[in-house]
Amino acid sequence: GIQVEQSPPDLILQEGANSTLRCNFSDSVNNLQWFHQNPWGQLINLFYIPSGTKQNGRLSATTVATERYSLLYISSSQTTDSGVYFCAAGGSNYKLTFGKGTLLTVNP
Amino acid sequence: NAGVTQTPKFRVLKTGQSMTLLCAQDMNHEYMYWYRQDPGMGLRLIHYSVGEGTTAKGEVPDGYNVSRLKKQNFLLGLESAAPSQTSVYFCASSTGYEQFFGPGTRLTVL
Repeated sequence: GIQVEQSPPDLILQEGANSTLRCNFSDSVNNLQWFHQNPWGQLINLFYIPSGTKQNGRLSATTVATERYSLLYISSSQTTDSGVYFCAAGGSNYKLTFGKGTLLTVNP
Repeated sequence: NAGVTQTPKFRVLKTGQSMTLLCAQDMNHEYMYWYRQDPGMGLRLIHYSVGEGTTAKGEVPDGYNVSRLKKQNFLLGLESAAPSQTSVYFCASSTGYEQFFGPGTRLTVL
């Protein structure tokens, strides 16, 4: 099955800084999603992005399917951005393999 | 529109006890999933269903059984709980594209 690797595993930022999270996957994908798990454990959908670029406020994501990676950009970070960011990819539309996540800490 | 709900939110079991976790969705999604999340492991797929009456094994199915008798419900059963099944369990549903997750069930097996 597909292997998903995320980097960095941990990231500490000061409020207002920008960051880029990376997701590499081992095979072609038909499904790629980014999630944010907040400190209360809730999984929040950020992007469904098997290819191309999307933006939602301070967050944006780009997937280059031919080169098997996806990037999540966070600009002007806030303390509420803290948590774990997961990338999940799937060769079929309906099944996902999750990476181990990036733990983001934003300090005031 | 409640989305995906899970019952219960917390549970403590003794080794060998059995229990059933209930997942319900009101989005008319065909696909439903059960994952477990362990520290440092991300989420791993236990079982999934591609429609009412169907189930299939995921990455870590041993020790679990599932049923999808109604389209909106997906049940996860533990017949004889073991300490290795201590975890946070998430249910999800999808149309076959974007997956949406429930709030999770924290299970501790003593």
